[in-house]
Formats: sequence, C-alpha cells, structure tokens
Amino acid sequence: ETGVTQTPRHLVMGMTNKKSLKCEQHLGHNAMYWYKQSAKKPLELMFVYNFKEQTENNSVPSRFSPECPNSSHLFLHLHTLQPEDSALYLCASSRDKGRANYGYTFGSGTRLTVV
Amino acid sequence: QKEVEQNSGPLSVPEGAIASLNCTYSDRGSQSFFWYRQYSGKSPELIMFIYSNGDKEDGRFTAQLNKASQYVSLLIRDSQPSDSATYLCAPSGGGSQGNLIFGKGTKLSVKP
Repeated sequence: ETGVTQTPRHLVMGMTNKKSLKCEQHLGHNAMYWYKQSAKKPLELMFVYNFKEQTENNSVPSRFSPECPNSSHLFLHLHTLQPEDSALYLCASSRDKGRANYGYTFGSGTRLTVV
Repeated sequence: QKEVEQNSGPLSVPEGAIASLNCTYSDRGSQSFFWYRQYSGKSPELIMFIYSNGDKEDGRFTAQLNKASQYVSLLIRDSQPSDSATYLCAPSGGGSQGNLIFGKGTKLSVKP
C-alpha cells in the first residue's frame, strides 16, 4: 500500500451511466491530482487540488467532474463518457502543489472501460 | 509546450548488465527530476529523484543530471529480471506550478 487508496480498481460502464471514482490519502498531503494514462501516451494531468481548492483544469471535457471535499479525499464523477475515455485513471498526492521536490505518491488506479 | 522525451524501447539487456535509460526535457525552469518505475498493470512507483547536477547513487540505481544539456539519465547496475518494467522520467515544471511532467516511458526488459 502506498498510502493512496483508489476505488474501484476496475469499472465497466455504459456511455449513459453515471459513476464516481474515489481516492483517499493517508499521508497528510495537501495536494491531490487526477491523471489519465492511455496506451502509448504519457500520463496526462487532468486536475490539481491544493488545500481542497482546484488550481488546475487541463482542458478536461465537462463529462469529467472532480470534487475535493477535504485534503484527504478526491472524487472524479463520470457521466456520458465516450469509448475513448477508457484508460487507467490515477490519483496522486504530494505535500503541496508547487513543492514537487518530494515527488508524487500514486494510488493503484482505476481501470475504466466504457462500452 | 513542455515536453519530456524518452526512447520508448523496448530496451533489452542481459541479467547482470548495466541498463542505461535516458531522458531529455524542454522546460529550462525544471528544478527537480524524478524517476518512476511502472510494472505492467500497476501504478507508477517513485524510485529516484535528483535536484543537482551530477550523479546521485542509491543502491543499484544512479541518477545523472545535466541541466545545461537538459538531460537526465538512470543507470541500473547488475540488472535483474525483476527490474523489467517501464521507467518514467518526470521533471517538475518550472515556475509556480511545479507539476510533474511525464515522459511516455522506456520499457526495459532484463533477460535471464
């Protein structure tokens, strides 16, 4: 265990479904991140939260909606997804945004398949 | 556009050899540099970081940084089959953002 827990590990959803991904960190970090990892592409940063405030949205489609109720929890709400959204979604945390000197700690990821 | 370039591989080395993984980056403002290892189907795991020009050694791993050339590398000595994985280079972005920018990774295969 890395100290960052993601659920579910696997998710299959139809294009009309609504589902949520959950991330929880027990490291006392203040920044949390959502990344998307598709085959043959680098990790794509989606959203950044620092002290539960969103600081970055990297032009992510509105069918992805993040929520950060506190510094330990991060959600990604999904609705009307497309098949090309199928990917590994990774949550990460760090001490705080901008202080990447300590690197990020990743969760195990959610493997999402949109059918 | 800030970019991180890595040879995608696969890089194949025999067991016991030295594996050399290279990375170039475009953002001159990058201050911190991280190497992650990702096994197939798993999430990235931090294995090394380096801030200053020169070499940093940790066990069988050595990270090398040359900021003037915008180049960072990872050497793995006495490679083992368990080192077979994809290695991701991640400089921190310059400026106040500081977010990690990931390369596509180099797939390493260590043959017994």
